[in-house]
Amino acid sequence: GAVVSQHPSWVICKSGTSVKIECRSLDFQATTMFWYRQFPKQSLMLMATSNEGSKATYEQGVEKDKFLINHASLTLSTLTVTSAHPEDSSFYICSAPISGSRDGELFFGEGSRLTVL
Amino acid sequence: QKEVEQDPGPLSVPEGAIVSLNCTYSNSAFQYFMWYRQYSRKGPELLMYTYSSGNKEDGRFTAQVDKSSKYISLFIRDSQPSDSATYLCAMSAPSSGDKLTFGTGTRLAVRP
Repeated sequence: GAVVSQHPSWVICKSGTSVKIECRSLDFQATTMFWYRQFPKQSLMLMATSNEGSKATYEQGVEKDKFLINHASLTLSTLTVTSAHPEDSSFYICSAPISGSRDGELFFGEGSRLTVL
Repeated sequence: QKEVEQDPGPLSVPEGAIVSLNCTYSNSAFQYFMWYRQYSRKGPELLMYTYSSGNKEDGRFTAQVDKSSKYISLFIRDSQPSDSATYLCAMSAPSSGDKLTFGTGTRLAVRP
């Protein structure tokens, strides 16, 4: 089946530093990828839609200058948390649909747990 | 009011029990209804997919959608300890394509 891989699976960083998270589609091409954030005991909140070759579309309330998204190829999207602060500590998950799949049928990565000290 | 409401639990049941998980929603435009299963510290995986109203069965799992009541359910028969996970309902409208709206998820623990 389709596989979406995320790296790193967990990262600890100091406040003020930047962290990059990679999301790769391993056996299919993804023109669109979605980035979610999940706080403990809360649901997945869509942050942005990453589009290959064009700018990402951010959800209301998500700072595009803080959460930089790059989708430079059909198999890779990256999320960079710039000048991270403790309140950015969360579980970040990417997902992608496969061409021809049903609406809403997404394949998720394993998630990346970010802890900002 | 949230667009999708789901009891976060936790729900603890003995092995072999029938589990009923539910979500309610307010957006009548939702047409596609899904249940995702998420194990601890992992990404969600699609469990059931239903279009519009009706029932769908897959092994021990049955998904029901009642659009008139804006209510969806997931039933798990003969629950197993390996079913212990968080179950997230998700839904989308034709106009939103692959953008999903998730419930908060219900944590389920199946005791051996």
